[in-house]
Amino acid sequence: LAKTTQPISMDSYEGQEVNITCSHNNIATNDYITWYQQFPSQGPRFIIQGYKTKVTNEVASLFIPADRKSSTLSLPRVSLSDTAVYYCLVGDLSSASKIIFGSGTRLSIRP
Amino acid sequence: SQTIHQWPATLVQPVGSPLSLECTVEGTSNPNLYWYRQAAGRGLQLLFYSVGIGQISSEVPQNLSASRPQDRQFILSSKKLLLSDSGFYLCAWSASLGDQPQHFGDGTRLSIL
Repeated sequence: LAKTTQPISMDSYEGQEVNITCSHNNIATNDYITWYQQFPSQGPRFIIQGYKTKVTNEVASLFIPADRKSSTLSLPRVSLSDTAVYYCLVGDLSSASKIIFGSGTRLSIRP
Repeated sequence: SQTIHQWPATLVQPVGSPLSLECTVEGTSNPNLYWYRQAAGRGLQLLFYSVGIGQISSEVPQNLSASRPQDRQFILSSKKLLLSDSGFYLCAWSASLGDQPQHFGDGTRLSIL
C-alpha cells in the first residue's frame, strides 16, 4: 500500500493558480492516483483521478511524471470557495484494497 | 444518478448508551460500502468496509460494529459508547470492482457526553 506525503497547509490568493504536490515513492504498477476535496462538516468530494502523464477536467488538472513517484494537483484561478482540505490517495482500482486518507493539505485562499 | 444518505446529521449521546447510524445508497447495485471516522482536524480513518450483503471487514479494533442487512444499506452500531467514540462519521460507496472514486455522504457529527 503506497503511502502519500503532502504539505500540511498552503496559502494563495484569488485568481492565482495553485499547485499541490503529493509524493508517493512506493506507488505500485496497478495503482491510480486520486484527489479529493473536503469542506468543513462535509464528506470528501472526488476531484480527479489519473494513472500517468496529464489528466484535465472542468475543475482541475493532474500532472504525473513518468516515474509516477509524485503527482501535482493544479487548480486554475482559485476563488475563496476553493478553501478546503485536499487529499491525495494512491490505490489499485481493480480490487477492494485498503484506502488510507492522510491528513491532507489545508488550502486557504485570501481575497 | 446515484445518491447516498446518512442520518442523523448530528447526534449527542451519553457515555454507555447504544448507537445506530444508518447509510443507504440509491441508484447503483452491489456497491462497496465504507464507514470512516474523522477526528477534528485530522484525516479519515477507515473503520469498516463491505463488498456484499453480510460481508464486513473491520480495519480497527474497537467497540463499534457494522452490518449490511441489504445490498444498499450499511449500519454502524455500538452497544456502549465511549467518550473516545466522538467524531465525524462518514459513509461512502464505490463501484463494485474498485475502491475509487469513493462517494461520500454528508456525515454524522457524534458527540459523547
